Amino acid sequence: DVKVTQSSRYLVKRTGEKVFLECVQDMDHENMFWYRQDPGLGLRLIYFSYDVKMKEKGDIPEGYSVSREKKERFSLILESASTNQTSMYLCASTPSALGDYGYTFGSGTRLTVV
Amino acid sequence: QKEVEQNSGPLSVPEGAIASLNCTYSDRGSQSFFWYRQYSGKSPELIMFIYSNGDKEDGRFTAQLNKASQYVSLLIRDSQPSDSATYLCAVVNAGNNRKLIWGLGTSLAVNP
Repeated sequence: DVKVTQSSRYLVKRTGEKVFLECVQDMDHENMFWYRQDPGLGLRLIYFSYDVKMKEKGDIPEGYSVSREKKERFSLILESASTNQTSMYLCASTPSALGDYGYTFGSGTRLTVV
Repeated sequence: QKEVEQNSGPLSVPEGAIASLNCTYSDRGSQSFFWYRQYSGKSPELIMFIYSNGDKEDGRFTAQLNKASQYVSLLIRDSQPSDSATYLCAVVNAGNNRKLIWGLGTSLAVNP
């Protein structure tokens, strides 16, 4: 089975800190995604990547950046954390075309910014 | 704006009943359709996908697709309390076969 691993399950950070969320997948998937999920707002796409060193903005990229230096790793960076970035962050991956696979999600990181 | 819409619920059914969850989508060119289950505090997990009009069955789950009417549904037979979760519908739009468009989900409660 594909495994998508997010480095932290729970994280508490202070306003203004630079925050790194790490995601690693072990099935050589080309595509990786970062979402945040908030009650009533559903899954909102922050950034995605189709290949190493390649990134595209999703629907809500403001305040975030990403890095993909290796195929298996996709990092989300909060440049200066703010309280409105308190959320559940979900990483997902998929092969080059969705096909039968859909997305495989990591277990999520619940980030609290105080 | 390409949209996927679901009734937020909560949908409440007694144990052993059939739960019916519905999803409509706006892009007529949509190609593939997925149902995910998400337990509270957990990440979504794929339970069904369907591409062709008609029904697709997998155990107690049946996905139904009607492209002419632009809806996809999920039936859960013999509902169990462990089926209580939020069910997310996701759609692949024409022209981009790598991105899913998500509904907000329907909350299902199965009462013992």
